[in-house]
Amino acid sequence: AIQMTQSPSSLSASVGDRVTITCRASQGIRNDLGWYQQKPGKAPKLLIYAASSLQSGVPSRFSGSGSGTDFTLTISSLQPEDFATYYCLQDYNYPQTFGQGTKVEIK
Amino acid sequence: EVQLVESGGGLVQPGGSLRLSCAASGFTVSSNYMSWVRQAPGKGLEWVSVIYSGGSTYYADSVKGRFTISRDNSKNTLYLQMNSLRAEDTAVYYCARAGPGITGTHFDYWGQGTLVTVSS
Repeated sequence: AIQMTQSPSSLSASVGDRVTITCRASQGIRNDLGWYQQKPGKAPKLLIYAASSLQSGVPSRFSGSGSGTDFTLTISSLQPEDFATYYCLQDYNYPQTFGQGTKVEIK
Repeated sequence: EVQLVESGGGLVQPGGSLRLSCAASGFTVSSNYMSWVRQAPGKGLEWVSVIYSGGSTYYADSVKGRFTISRDNSKNTLYLQMNSLRAEDTAVYYCARAGPGITGTHFDYWGQGTLVTVSS
């Protein structure tokens, strides 16, 4: 199975900050990657698919980039509602695999 | 409006069985890729299984041979039959729809989750 490694595991940031989260695949996965946001007690929410395509209804401050093995999720200006845990998910092959998550906390 | 509602979770002893259901509305289950994703308490997300619109199925190695994904087209419902349950299967189980307009297999709608606890 492809291993997905996210970094950092957690970060503290302030409202208005630019935040970057990375995800590295153990082998090349083209651009077959998505990003999800999860708040406590809630189901995940799709933000980005195909590495850089913004899901309908998601604010444009979220963006994704990368291909092959290295991917990035960027929040251009962190908002109070963005404090959550973020996961990457590869859909290059089965079993699909998630990264371990990055918790974004308030500084 | 698209909705997914899971049910069937609960407390079960190690070695036991449980069947989860995911009732869908607002779309047709059999026309979409549908998956189960789980989350152990305080842990990250783990993909469990998928069923294609054509009926093909795939599983995580951790559940292969023990779990079976299926659907009932007449009830527009997705299922996960879980046998030989282990303590490490304890988790909130989510059903999710792979978005039909989304490149690849990513999930645009999720249920609220149902908790499965495996303990004696």
